[in-house]
Amino acid sequence: AQSVAQPEDQVNVAEGNPLTVKCTYSVSGNPYLFWYVQYPNRGLQFLLKYITGDNLVKGSYGFEAEFNKSQTSFHLKKPSALVSDSALYFCAVSLQTGANNLFFGTGTRLTVIP
Amino acid sequence: KAGVTQTPRYLIKTRGQQVTLSCSPISGHRSVSWYQQTPGQGLQFLFEYFSETQRNKGNFPGRFSGRQFSNSRSEMNVSTLELGDSALYLCASSSSSGWVYEQYFGPGTRLTVT
Repeated sequence: AQSVAQPEDQVNVAEGNPLTVKCTYSVSGNPYLFWYVQYPNRGLQFLLKYITGDNLVKGSYGFEAEFNKSQTSFHLKKPSALVSDSALYFCAVSLQTGANNLFFGTGTRLTVIP
Repeated sequence: KAGVTQTPRYLIKTRGQQVTLSCSPISGHRSVSWYQQTPGQGLQFLFEYFSETQRNKGNFPGRFSGRQFSNSRSEMNVSTLELGDSALYLCASSSSSGWVYEQYFGPGTRLTVT
């Protein structure tokens, strides 16, 4: 069975500093990995996905994520944090191509301090 | 394009009642998925419909059901409501093109069961 772990419930970072939100996964096949962000009282917004190929994936709003197969990780990164990046971030995995049943991590609340 | 819309946005029901939630996907999207978000269980997949057929189903009791219409609009129904059904219900649509789809989420319907 697949699972996704986000080991940090809360991440605080100063504005302008680099940020990392961690995600590890456990699947029996090839993982298709996603990052979503949720702002208060709103649905989830797609940031980026990894399917295959280059391990560094670039997404929306300056975010990127690095797929590491040996460490089974897919950490979300941004070189310079903005206050407006403060939100709830979810990592998700899907095993099946063409299947929209995502397994989500528990979420990490990112707070960027001015 | 207009985004995913969900109605109603807020709903209060009492135990034992039933409820129907509605989702209109992005124009041209044929897949609609439903998720339940609670503080305790996080984001959990309910089911996915594609071209009016249920394609995937999560681990929820039979009280939770759904359907999709020929225009891709979807409804989910919860019968015999329980207090534990209080949650944010999110609908997501995705394109039929490509082989690993990102999903676009609506703002959700906040259901409170008293």
